[in-house]
Amino acid sequence: QVQLVQSGAEVKKPGASVKVSCKASGYTFTYYAMHWVRQAPGQRLEWMGWINAGNGNTKYPQKFQGRVTITRDTSATTAYMELSSLRSEDTAVYYCVRDWSGMDVWGQGTTVTVSS
Amino acid sequence: QAVVTQEPSLTVSPGGTVTLTCGSSTGAVTSGHYPYWFQQKPGQAPRTLIYDTSNKHSWTPARFSGSLLGGKAALTLSGAQPEDEAEYYCLLSYSGARLFGGGTKLTVL
Repeated sequence: QVQLVQSGAEVKKPGASVKVSCKASGYTFTYYAMHWVRQAPGQRLEWMGWINAGNGNTKYPQKFQGRVTITRDTSATTAYMELSSLRSEDTAVYYCVRDWSGMDVWGQGTTVTVSS
Repeated sequence: QAVVTQEPSLTVSPGGTVTLTCGSSTGAVTSGHYPYWFQQKPGQAPRTLIYDTSNKHSWTPARFSGSLLGGKAALTLSGAQPEDEAEYYCLLSYSGARLFGGGTKLTVL
């Protein structure tokens, strides 16, 4: 069955970087795009960007330009989201979401905690 | 940067009908914003109910429907059930970039 399995929880210090992975299975990885969405405790969902897994094209919101990088490894059928210059406000659950028509499959979420 | 607006909270009686809306600070929401609707219950990941204004997934209960109404995207729940109590988020596309609304907390009471 179609599945997105994300990497485990991370604890990082302010100023560090974090790289979250999203392993896809059960479908042709390159036929779909992958979004990254995060949710800070008690806050709204926040879109962080997406990648066309076929050609590697990406798009990021202005807020995260220069701080987020989304990549993919087609041989490993895995997408990655790297966030740099971490601050306490980046403490959140990070989700990958498959898309081409409908953002239909979500990963289980990865908790990233930024604390000194 | 656009702002996507939703009602902070709404209440519906069991069996009743309620419409949640999703507006854009840039003007009327159109099909070109490809509106999405998500449901999120406490402690759970969101799940997608509606995409591209009105399309449903196989798991979307028939009582949910999506539309454009008065310059906004709308999610209508007809025949509310207790299990529909949740936070609902809309998502709009702006030339490929996406933006979530602030969410609507729906109470079934």
